[in-house]
Amino acid sequence: EAQVTQNPRYLITVTGKKLTVTCSQNMNHEYMSWYRQDPGLGLRQIYYSMNVEVTDKGDVPEGYKVSRKEKRNFPLILESPSPNQTSLYFCASSFGQANSPLHFGNGTRLTVT
Amino acid sequence: EDQVTQSPEALRLQEGESSSLNCSYTVSGLRGLFWYRQDPGKGPEFLFTLYSAGEEKEKERLKATLTKKESFLHITAPKPEDSATYLCAVGGNTGKLIFGQGTTLQVKP
Repeated sequence: EAQVTQNPRYLITVTGKKLTVTCSQNMNHEYMSWYRQDPGLGLRQIYYSMNVEVTDKGDVPEGYKVSRKEKRNFPLILESPSPNQTSLYFCASSFGQANSPLHFGNGTRLTVT
Repeated sequence: EDQVTQSPEALRLQEGESSSLNCSYTVSGLRGLFWYRQDPGKGPEFLFTLYSAGEEKEKERLKATLTKKESFLHITAPKPEDSATYLCAVGGNTGKLIFGQGTTLQVKP
């Protein structure tokens, strides 16, 4: 089954404790992206990757890191999480950024205390 | 600047009461307009892609249409299971995908 898999689904952590949210897709998509979704603010792009070893900032990249060492995987790293990073996070992938539909994972709900 | 505005923000319908959701956009060179459905706490689920004015796509009770300035998602005889947030997104020549804020639809039995 074609899918984007994120882990974990739920995560509660404390300020400053490094964490990684994993994302994997099995559709051979070149493009992958991370979004956060907050009430009243909609979906905001954090980082994206056009292909292996090619990553770029989205609209809200501060406090996040990503890497794309393999085509299928695109982990999101929070080196020192803060409470304002409490949010619902989605990973997505597609064949192209602007002309191909995104396939989303089921989300990771992160709480930073 | 590329922009997407969805209206209304929220819509309540009785089961069987047809209606339309609007997605107005401004974009430099449309490369694709996308409709998604999102259930609470879940990832958006792709519904339709429209590429050029005049294009229409249909799936069960949903029909998406596109003009040069806006797209409509028509819902015919909705059922309670159609309750969700519907997102519109537009991709243009900048290569970026811009999402609207969504319309939350509630269909009452």
